[in-house]
Amino acid sequence: GAVVSQHPSWVICKSGTSVKIECRSLDFQATTMFWYRQFPKQSLMLMATSNEGSKATYEQGVEKDKFLINHASLTLSTLTVTSAHPEDSSFYICSARVGGRNTGELFFGEGSRLTVL
Amino acid sequence: AQSVTQLDSQVPVFEEAPVELRCNYSSSVSVYLFWYVQYPNQGLQLLLKYLSGSTLVKGINGFEAEFNKSQTSFHLRKPSVHISDTAEYFCAAYSGGYQKVTFGIGTKLQVIP
Repeated sequence: GAVVSQHPSWVICKSGTSVKIECRSLDFQATTMFWYRQFPKQSLMLMATSNEGSKATYEQGVEKDKFLINHASLTLSTLTVTSAHPEDSSFYICSARVGGRNTGELFFGEGSRLTVL
Repeated sequence: AQSVTQLDSQVPVFEEAPVELRCNYSSSVSVYLFWYVQYPNQGLQLLLKYLSGSTLVKGINGFEAEFNKSQTSFHLRKPSVHISDTAEYFCAAYSGGYQKVTFGIGTKLQVIP
Protein backbone atom coordinates (compact mmCIF):
# COMPACT_ATOMS: atom_id res chain seq x y z
CA GLY A 1 0.00 0.00 0.00
CA ALA A 2 0.84 3.72 0.02
CA VAL A 3 1.92 4.02 -3.59
CA VAL A 4 2.77 7.40 -5.09
CA SER A 5 3.05 7.79 -8.84
CA GLN A 6 4.69 10.66 -10.64
CA HIS A 7 4.34 11.62 -14.28
CA PRO A 8 6.16 12.23 -16.54
CA SER A 9 9.39 10.44 -15.64
CA TRP A 10 11.35 12.41 -18.20
CA VAL A 11 10.56 15.67 -19.91
CA ILE A 12 12.58 17.85 -22.25
CA CYS A 13 11.32 21.30 -23.08
CA LYS A 14 12.45 24.49 -24.73
CA SER A 15 13.47 27.50 -22.70
CA GLY A 16 10.51 29.73 -21.98
CA THR A 17 7.86 27.03 -22.01
CA SER A 18 5.97 25.65 -19.02
CA VAL A 19 6.01 22.09 -17.80
CA LYS A 20 3.52 20.35 -15.53
CA ILE A 21 4.45 17.39 -13.34
CA GLU A 22 1.75 15.30 -11.68
CA CYS A 23 1.95 13.46 -8.40
CA ARG A 24 -0.78 10.98 -7.52
CA SER A 25 -1.43 8.88 -4.46
CA LEU A 26 -2.84 5.67 -5.90
CA ASP A 27 -4.22 3.81 -2.91
CA PHE A 28 -4.60 6.36 -0.17
CA GLN A 29 -5.69 9.91 0.41
CA ALA A 30 -2.90 12.39 0.78
CA THR A 31 -3.92 15.59 2.49
CA THR A 32 -0.31 16.71 2.42
CA MET A 33 2.22 16.30 -0.35
CA PHE A 34 5.74 17.57 -0.59
CA TRP A 35 7.79 18.64 -3.58
CA TYR A 36 11.55 18.23 -3.55
CA ARG A 37 14.27 19.17 -5.93
CA GLN A 38 17.45 17.16 -6.13
CA PHE A 39 20.63 18.47 -7.66
CA PRO A 40 23.30 16.05 -8.88
CA LYS A 41 25.15 14.39 -6.04
CA GLN A 42 23.19 16.34 -3.45
CA SER A 43 20.41 15.68 -1.05
CA LEU A 44 16.78 16.55 -1.44
CA MET A 45 15.80 20.17 -1.09
CA LEU A 46 12.25 20.74 0.09
CA MET A 47 10.60 23.23 -2.23
CA ALA A 48 7.09 23.39 -0.86
CA THR A 49 4.40 21.70 1.14
CA SER A 50 1.16 21.18 -0.69
CA ASN A 51 -2.07 20.94 1.28
CA GLU A 52 -5.29 19.80 -0.32
CA GLY A 53 -7.66 22.66 -0.87
CA SER A 54 -5.34 25.40 0.27
CA LYS A 55 -2.32 27.32 -0.91
CA ALA A 56 1.05 25.67 -0.85
CA THR A 57 3.66 26.69 1.67
CA TYR A 58 6.95 27.48 -0.01
CA GLU A 59 10.38 27.20 1.51
CA GLN A 60 12.56 30.23 1.73
CA GLY A 61 14.22 31.04 -1.57
CA VAL A 62 11.73 29.15 -3.73
CA GLU A 63 9.89 31.36 -6.21
CA LYS A 64 6.21 30.59 -5.88
CA ASP A 65 5.37 32.33 -9.15
CA LYS A 66 7.82 30.13 -10.97
CA PHE A 67 6.94 26.85 -9.31
CA LEU A 68 3.16 26.73 -9.20
CA ILE A 69 1.69 24.04 -7.01
CA ASN A 70 -1.91 22.92 -7.07
CA HIS A 71 -3.43 20.29 -4.78
CA ALA A 72 -7.01 20.23 -5.94
CA SER A 73 -7.91 16.74 -4.73
CA LEU A 74 -6.86 14.28 -2.06
CA THR A 75 -5.00 12.18 -4.61
CA LEU A 76 -3.39 14.69 -6.95
CA SER A 77 -0.87 17.48 -6.63
CA THR A 78 0.74 19.20 -9.59
CA LEU A 79 3.92 21.21 -9.96
CA THR A 80 4.14 23.57 -12.90
CA VAL A 81 7.49 25.04 -13.78
CA THR A 82 6.60 28.26 -15.58
CA SER A 83 8.81 29.89 -18.18
CA ALA A 84 11.43 27.23 -17.66
CA HIS A 85 15.10 28.03 -18.11
CA PRO A 86 18.15 25.74 -18.28
CA GLU A 87 18.92 26.39 -14.61
CA ASP A 88 15.57 24.79 -13.75
CA SER A 89 16.83 21.49 -15.12
CA SER A 90 16.79 19.08 -12.24
CA PHE A 91 15.24 15.97 -10.73
CA TYR A 92 11.94 16.76 -9.07
CA ILE A 93 10.47 14.32 -6.57
CA CYS A 94 7.12 14.40 -4.85
CA SER A 95 6.18 12.61 -1.69
CA ALA A 96 3.06 12.16 0.35
CA ARG A 97 2.17 11.54 3.92
CA VAL A 98 -0.65 9.16 4.73
CA GLY A 99 -3.48 11.12 6.29
CA GLY A 100 -3.66 10.86 10.05
CA ARG A 101 -0.14 9.54 10.49
CA ASN A 102 2.14 12.13 12.00
CA THR A 103 5.30 10.05 12.07
CA GLY A 104 7.06 11.77 9.23
CA GLU A 105 7.06 8.65 7.09
CA LEU A 106 6.93 9.67 3.47
CA PHE A 107 6.06 7.76 0.35
CA PHE A 108 7.88 8.96 -2.72
CA GLY A 109 7.06 9.15 -6.38
CA GLU A 110 9.49 7.88 -8.97
CA GLY A 111 10.79 11.36 -9.73
CA SER A 112 10.70 13.50 -12.86
CA ARG A 113 13.84 14.47 -14.72
CA LEU A 114 13.39 17.90 -16.31
CA THR A 115 15.81 19.07 -18.97
CA VAL A 116 15.36 22.58 -20.31
CA LEU A 117 17.16 23.29 -23.57
CA ALA B 1 16.53 23.09 14.96
CA GLN B 2 17.01 19.68 13.48
CA SER B 3 19.86 18.32 11.40
CA VAL B 4 21.09 15.05 9.96
CA THR B 5 24.72 14.30 9.23
CA GLN B 6 25.89 11.46 7.07
CA LEU B 7 29.57 11.22 7.66
CA ASP B 8 30.55 9.38 4.50
CA SER B 9 29.67 10.62 1.04
CA GLN B 10 30.89 7.42 -0.62
CA VAL B 11 31.48 3.93 0.72
CA PRO B 12 33.10 1.32 -1.50
CA VAL B 13 32.81 -2.26 -0.27
CA PHE B 14 33.47 -5.67 -1.77
CA GLU B 15 30.57 -7.96 -2.49
CA GLU B 16 29.59 -10.20 0.46
CA ALA B 17 31.47 -7.96 2.90
CA PRO B 18 29.65 -6.20 5.75
CA VAL B 19 28.89 -2.50 5.57
CA GLU B 20 27.92 0.27 7.95
CA LEU B 21 26.62 3.64 6.78
CA ARG B 22 26.79 6.24 9.48
CA CYS B 23 24.13 8.76 10.42
CA ASN B 24 24.02 11.22 13.28
CA TYR B 25 21.18 13.56 14.08
CA SER B 26 20.58 16.52 16.30
CA SER B 27 17.25 17.63 17.62
CA SER B 28 15.98 19.34 20.70
CA VAL B 29 12.94 17.08 20.79
CA SER B 30 12.18 13.43 20.19
CA VAL B 31 12.59 12.34 16.61
CA TYR B 32 11.55 9.59 14.30
CA LEU B 33 14.35 8.28 12.11
CA PHE B 34 14.38 6.77 8.65
CA TRP B 35 16.68 5.29 6.07
CA TYR B 36 15.72 5.56 2.41
CA VAL B 37 17.40 4.06 -0.66
CA GLN B 38 17.51 5.70 -4.06
CA TYR B 39 18.45 3.87 -7.23
CA PRO B 40 19.57 5.93 -10.26
CA ASN B 41 16.84 8.10 -11.71
CA GLN B 42 14.26 6.86 -9.25
CA GLY B 43 12.46 8.16 -6.22
CA LEU B 44 13.23 7.13 -2.68
CA GLN B 45 12.15 3.86 -1.14
CA LEU B 46 11.83 3.33 2.59
CA LEU B 47 14.35 0.82 3.95
CA LEU B 48 13.44 1.02 7.61
CA LYS B 49 12.21 3.35 10.30
CA TYR B 50 12.50 3.91 14.02
CA LEU B 51 9.42 5.31 15.68
CA SER B 52 9.62 3.83 19.18
CA GLY B 53 10.25 0.57 20.99
CA SER B 54 13.19 -1.69 20.22
CA THR B 55 16.27 0.25 19.25
CA LEU B 56 17.31 -2.40 16.72
CA VAL B 57 15.21 -2.02 13.64
CA LYS B 58 15.13 -4.47 10.78
CA GLY B 59 14.21 -3.40 7.29
CA ILE B 60 13.97 -4.69 3.78
CA ASN B 61 16.76 -6.28 1.76
CA GLY B 62 18.55 -7.52 4.88
CA PHE B 63 19.35 -4.08 6.28
CA GLU B 64 19.10 -3.12 9.91
CA ALA B 65 19.79 -0.01 11.95
CA GLU B 66 20.30 0.73 15.61
CA PHE B 67 18.98 3.81 17.33
CA ASN B 68 21.43 5.09 19.92
CA LYS B 69 19.98 7.98 21.85
CA SER B 70 23.09 8.73 23.88
CA GLN B 71 25.22 9.00 20.77
CA THR B 72 22.40 10.49 18.67
CA SER B 73 23.15 7.98 15.96
CA PHE B 74 21.16 5.74 13.66
CA HIS B 75 23.73 3.77 11.70
CA LEU B 76 22.64 1.43 8.92
CA ARG B 77 24.22 -2.02 8.63
CA LYS B 78 24.14 -5.07 6.43
CA PRO B 79 26.21 -8.19 7.20
CA SER B 80 26.77 -9.14 3.56
CA VAL B 81 26.20 -6.79 0.66
CA HIS B 82 25.18 -7.68 -2.86
CA ILE B 83 25.86 -5.93 -6.15
CA SER B 84 22.22 -4.89 -6.25
CA ASP B 85 22.73 -2.85 -3.07
CA THR B 86 24.70 -0.29 -5.07
CA ALA B 87 22.64 2.87 -4.60
CA GLU B 88 22.41 6.13 -2.69
CA TYR B 89 21.23 5.93 0.90
CA PHE B 90 19.61 8.79 2.76
CA CYS B 91 19.12 9.12 6.47
CA ALA B 92 16.20 11.30 7.56
CA ALA B 93 14.72 12.65 10.76
CA TYR B 94 11.30 13.98 11.64
CA SER B 95 9.94 15.55 14.77
CA GLY B 96 6.38 16.54 15.41
CA GLY B 97 7.49 19.87 16.77
CA TYR B 98 9.47 20.81 13.68
CA GLN B 99 6.89 19.26 11.34
CA LYS B 100 9.41 18.68 8.56
CA VAL B 101 11.55 15.82 7.40
CA THR B 102 15.25 16.64 7.31
CA PHE B 103 17.46 14.59 5.02
CA GLY B 104 21.15 13.92 5.22
CA ILE B 105 23.31 14.57 2.21
CA GLY B 106 23.31 10.90 1.24
CA THR B 107 25.90 8.13 1.11
CA LYS B 108 26.70 6.43 -2.13
CA LEU B 109 27.28 2.74 -1.57
CA GLN B 110 29.40 1.15 -4.28
CA VAL B 111 29.56 -2.62 -4.13
CA ILE B 112 32.61 -3.99 -5.90
CA PRO B 113 32.38 -7.45 -7.48
